[in-house]
Amino acid sequence: AQSVSQHNHHVILSEAASLELGCNYSYGGTVNLFWYVQYPGQHLQLLLKYFSGDPLVKGIKGFEAEFIKSKFSFNLRKPSVQWSDTAEYFCAVNAPYNQGGKLIFGQGTELSVKP
Amino acid sequence: DGGITQSPKYLFRKEGQNVTLSCEQNLNHDAMYWYRQDPGQGLRLIYYSQIVNDFQKGDIAEGYSVSREKKESFPLTVTSAQKNPTAFYLCASSLAATDTQYFGPGTRLTVL
Repeated sequence: AQSVSQHNHHVILSEAASLELGCNYSYGGTVNLFWYVQYPGQHLQLLLKYFSGDPLVKGIKGFEAEFIKSKFSFNLRKPSVQWSDTAEYFCAVNAPYNQGGKLIFGQGTELSVKP
Repeated sequence: DGGITQSPKYLFRKEGQNVTLSCEQNLNHDAMYWYRQDPGQGLRLIYYSQIVNDFQKGDIAEGYSVSREKKESFPLTVTSAQKNPTAFYLCASSLAATDTQYFGPGTRLTVL
């Protein structure tokens, strides 16, 4: 069965530090990959997505992610975090169409940025 | 103003009662989904619907039921058979299955 694994449950950084959140998935076929963010008290929002093409994807608020097919990874990066980036981050993979296209989520990584 | 609405935001239920959570979208999306979020477990799929009048069980469907009589509406009923219903419930929709899913604000259900 497909699964998604996020390496860190809780990350604490100071402002201006660089961020990399790990995400690995298990599925050998074609995948669509997503990072969602949930700010405190807000909706789950799409941060960025990869469907095809350039494996380096840029999203909102200065985030980017790199799809490395050989490593089954889709790590999220940001060169310099801000206090406002404090949130929970979820990596997700689409199941194939014949499984309803459901999203399979990682456990989430809580990011706390200290001012 | 397009989007997904869920109501109510907070819901309290006594043990043994059924309760229905509302999800409405005006994005003209064909596919709709219900997820359950628990701390440290990410989101897990309860039910999904790719088209009106059709829906499928997700990974944790036991104790839940849904209907999809209209394209824009996908209500979820949490029945008394659900053993641990206290959770945050999120509804999502997408243009079609495997397209990007967009999420509603969620309903936090607490069983007293």
